[in-house]
Amino acid sequence: GQSLEQPSEVTAVEGAIVQINCTYQTSGFYGLSWYQQHDGGAPTFLSYNALDGLEETGRFSSFLSRSDSYGYLLLQELQMKDSASYFCAVDNAGNNRKLIWGLGTSLAVNP
Amino acid sequence: NAGVTQTPKFQVLKTGQSMTLQCAQDMNHNSMYWYRQDPGMGLRLIYYSASEGTTDKGEVPNGYNVSRLNKREFSLRLESAAPSQTSVYFCASSESTGTGGTEAFFGQGTRLTVV
Repeated sequence: GQSLEQPSEVTAVEGAIVQINCTYQTSGFYGLSWYQQHDGGAPTFLSYNALDGLEETGRFSSFLSRSDSYGYLLLQELQMKDSASYFCAVDNAGNNRKLIWGLGTSLAVNP
Repeated sequence: NAGVTQTPKFQVLKTGQSMTLQCAQDMNHNSMYWYRQDPGMGLRLIYYSASEGTTDKGEVPNGYNVSRLNKREFSLRLESAAPSQTSVYFCASSESTGTGGTEAFFGQGTRLTVV
């Protein structure tokens, strides 16, 4: 089967750094994406990694290791507004290019 | 830029009623999707359309039908609603990121309750 695993909940304080891990097992792989979803809102795209290494976008960075089937999202200088759910998703190498989603990590940022 | 627009935003149905959720995107994307999201769950794919005139079943297609009317529009129909279909429904479209990947753009969701 195909699956993605990520922690269900993470708690941190403002100004801290948090890492959300994602391990995947899929039949194909083009890349790993991360999405953010605030309560009551729609998922929004954060980052995408096709190759091994770290991609940095402002306070957010995403890492991929294809050999380990592993990636993480790193959030720095946490702010209250970062409280949200974060989903990893694999871009399947199948013809249909359907995304395969993890169950999401709920991040709570406390004062 | 409207992006992905889906209607309605909220709907209450009685068991056995039918309804169609509408979705349109103005980004000229080929791929469109319908997902459902239940509390504490991730996104589960109901149906997918790679291009106009083609549709493909996802993880949870039972009880749903779809229609890709044209490149812009992708509708989801519940023929006979059941309480198990109470959920938040998201429509999305996607494009290549340029490095082989996919970036999905989501509508604001339809909160459906079946009583």
